[in-house]
Amino acid sequence: QQQVKQSPQSLIVQKGGIPIINCAYENTAFDYFPWYQQFPGKGPALLIAIRPDVSEKKEGRFTISFNKSAKQFSLHIMDSQPGDSATYFCAATRYQTAGSYQLTFGKGTKLSVIP
Amino acid sequence: DAGVTQSPTHLIKTRGQQVTLRCSPKSGHDTVSWYQQALGQGPQFIFQYYEEEERQRGNFPDRFSGHQFPNYSSELNVNALLLGDSALYLCASSWIPPGQGAGGYGYTFGSGTRLTVV
Repeated sequence: QQQVKQSPQSLIVQKGGIPIINCAYENTAFDYFPWYQQFPGKGPALLIAIRPDVSEKKEGRFTISFNKSAKQFSLHIMDSQPGDSATYFCAATRYQTAGSYQLTFGKGTKLSVIP
Repeated sequence: DAGVTQSPTHLIKTRGQQVTLRCSPKSGHDTVSWYQQALGQGPQFIFQYYEEEERQRGNFPDRFSGHQFPNYSSELNVNALLLGDSALYLCASSWIPPGQGAGGYGYTFGSGTRLTVV
């Protein structure tokens, strides 16, 4: 059972465009929603994250929009650059005993930004 | 400041063999989690170690086992390798202050070990 569904699978935009990646989750116990960026040959790196009590969070050119009632959240990349070309993963987690947690990832979106 | 280091970077094994992957967490981190990332997929949680004990486990068979040492470093062992075990194995370290809630607090991934089973 896939608990976090991510779309689209791939995305091509022109430099300066605003790619949008969407995710939907099923488990209402999730209480933290990070986005990760992964370059080929590297591990995922935390980009930006949001908690369900906030509807939007912005860090630099990256914005997360969160819709708790629809159980959906999305990543917007403003003024995209060729260097943003990477695979992006949404994830979700919930608090568990003793402060431990595990991340549930979407399947990823491969973004290509064309100069 | 060294991040999460994993070794080896690449590995080729034969079906049925056993493999051990190693992870050194980021300085100051005491918790290690292991993830399996199949080609074209998102990482999947295998298990997490804290205070040398397995604290959480994902939906993986007992062929997958681990260990954490007193210096917080960790090993992932996979027995009786199957072709389907071919994947990028990621280690992530973190530090969860007592009383803190959920979150990727200091959750840092290594670059992974690429395991190919032939």
